[in-house]
Amino acid sequence: KAGVTQTPRYLIKTRGQQVTLSCSPISGHRSVSWYQQTPGQGLQFLFEYFSETQRNKGNFPGRFSGRQFSNSRSEMNVSTLELGDSALYLCASKRGQETQYFGPGTRLLVL
Amino acid sequence: SQELEQSPQSLIVQEGKNLTINCTSSKTLYGLYWYKQKYGEGLIFLMMLQKGGEEKSHEKITAKLDEKKQQSSLHITASQPSHAGIYLCGAAFANAGGTSYGKLTFGQGTILTVHP
Repeated sequence: KAGVTQTPRYLIKTRGQQVTLSCSPISGHRSVSWYQQTPGQGLQFLFEYFSETQRNKGNFPGRFSGRQFSNSRSEMNVSTLELGDSALYLCASKRGQETQYFGPGTRLLVL
Repeated sequence: SQELEQSPQSLIVQEGKNLTINCTSSKTLYGLYWYKQKYGEGLIFLMMLQKGGEEKSHEKITAKLDEKKQQSSLHITASQPSHAGIYLCGAAFANAGGTSYGKLTFGQGTILTVHP
């Protein structure tokens, strides 16, 4: 069974731009969660989507948004990028109450 | 996150030595997950503990959850260079319905270096 995939793997943007990251969950997994990892703040929860609905949300500004499609694939969008948005963005998927499996991440650099 | 404290922050050991990483929660856990991460890469799932007093082992790694479900430890026996990486504990807390959704709260991680 294929694991969680994320595209693109690397991205360079400039301040003020917007970016969209994509995540394809493991087949059969309907829950997709997004996390931001930085050296200073560690790994922080952004939001979770289940059956195309946002089920849980972390403490991030409204510039961070996401959505989930009917095939459970998810996208997250960051508008008006700031230097501090440079991070590794990880998505994870799970089925029911089972373990959450992570993708390889998208490394975003904002210049 | 203050909800979850992980210690030590870094650990340097000689190959063959045993080591322990601790993870302490400020409240009762619904589940506790251990992951390993190579720098800049995704998280690799190691073990999940849910019941008080539970202990699981895989190869040379053993994880335990205390009876009160607020503290977990990860123990590596006879460490090898392949064990090097960042170890992260992630906590799931119960929601109002008594289950857990997809939010994990992570500790700051432990950087493990194993010298041959």
